[in-house]
Parts: sequence; structure tokens; C-alpha cells
Amino acid sequence: NAGVTQTPKFQVLKTGQSMTLQCAQDMNHEYMSWYRQDPGMGLRLIHYSVGAGITDQGEVPNGYNVSRSTTEDFPLRLLSAAPSQTSVYFCASSYSRGGYEQYFGPGTRLTVT
Amino acid sequence: GDSVTQMEGPVTLSEEAFLTINCTYTATGYPSLFWYVQYPGEGLQLLLKATKADDKGSNKGFEATYRKETTSFHLEKGSVQVSDSAVYFCALTTGTASKLTFGTGTRLQVTL
Repeated sequence: NAGVTQTPKFQVLKTGQSMTLQCAQDMNHEYMSWYRQDPGMGLRLIHYSVGAGITDQGEVPNGYNVSRSTTEDFPLRLLSAAPSQTSVYFCASSYSRGGYEQYFGPGTRLTVT
Repeated sequence: GDSVTQMEGPVTLSEEAFLTINCTYTATGYPSLFWYVQYPGEGLQLLLKATKADDKGSNKGFEATYRKETTSFHLEKGSVQVSDSAVYFCALTTGTASKLTFGTGTRLQVTL
């Protein structure tokens, strides 16, 4: 099993550009989520999905879109990048029921200039 | 809403010292509690967990006990090593969903 994979590892964008961060998992997990990690703020939930075709907003969804067409993939789209979106982005997956651990990808470091 | 409060770091210890990282929480219902660890340049990985009151999670010499009466889940290790240097996150989930609420993280630096 590859676990949770994320691409790219690093990305630099100019303000106003759009891009998609890719996330895939091969563990047949129902639940997938995106977090951003900023210094002194821990990880904050952006969007999550409890299964193919079902997505919902987390704590900080503005400026981001998601879709879940398959169980395996959960891409995160930045519509018009802003410097405030400079962060490290982590994708995670797990079984849906509470109490199960989440498996994290290695992260994407995004810089918006 | 749910929240997790961790002691601020960085925590600097000498090798073989005793470690405690405090974590308290506020949650509706009955949360499951987790400690995740992040080594430099990597993603988070689960260190240990507890799913009900008085459960003790343990792994790699680390322990934490789910204390419902004090709403706490403090992380302890009897003798830290340089290789334990990392950022430690306390987190919880409630209800039937798997949404994690994280604390802000505590950086641990262990020196020889």
C-alpha cells in the first residue's frame, strides 16, 4: 500500500493564479479531508468528504473547492490564490466512524507571492 | 464547539529526562482522543489513542490516560531520546464523524 499520496510536494504561485493539489489513497477509506498547517495554529480543517459524491466544509473553507468523484481521489482546488493561502497542506483519510485514526499524506508546501 | 488546548512550547529536555506535555479538551458528547507526532519535514502520524474514559493509550514508551473528570489527556514518557525531537499534537473526534480537532502543537527538542 502506498497509503496517502500528495502532489506536488512544493509549489509557488502568483496571486490570482489557480491550481489543484492532488490527493489519493489506496486503503479504501470512506473519509478524506484537507487541512492547512500554519505556525502557532495547529492544523485546521478546510473541507472533508465522507464518501464519493459527498463533501462538506470545515473550519476554513473560503477560497477552496473540492469534489470527490471516486473513493480514492480528493483534489483541492485553489480558485484564485492569495498570499494568505501560503501554508502547508495535508490530506488525510480514515474509516468514517469516530475513533479510527487518520492517515496523513506527506504534505504540499505552497507559497503564494 | 470542540477545542483542544496544549501547553506551549518549545519544550527542551536532556536525553533520559521525564516528559509531560499537557492537553485538555472541551467537547460535546464523548470524544476519542489522539496524540499525533510530526517529525521534521514529514506528515503527521498517530502516536497513540484512547476512545473512552480511563483508557490508557501507549506506544514507543509514550503513554496518555483519558481523564474524563479533568477533561485531560496528558502525554508522558519516562526517558526521552534525541530521536523523540518532533512536534506533538493532541486531537479529538466526536460523534460518528472522523473530523479531527487539533491543538496548536508542542515542539519537543531533546539534547545530549
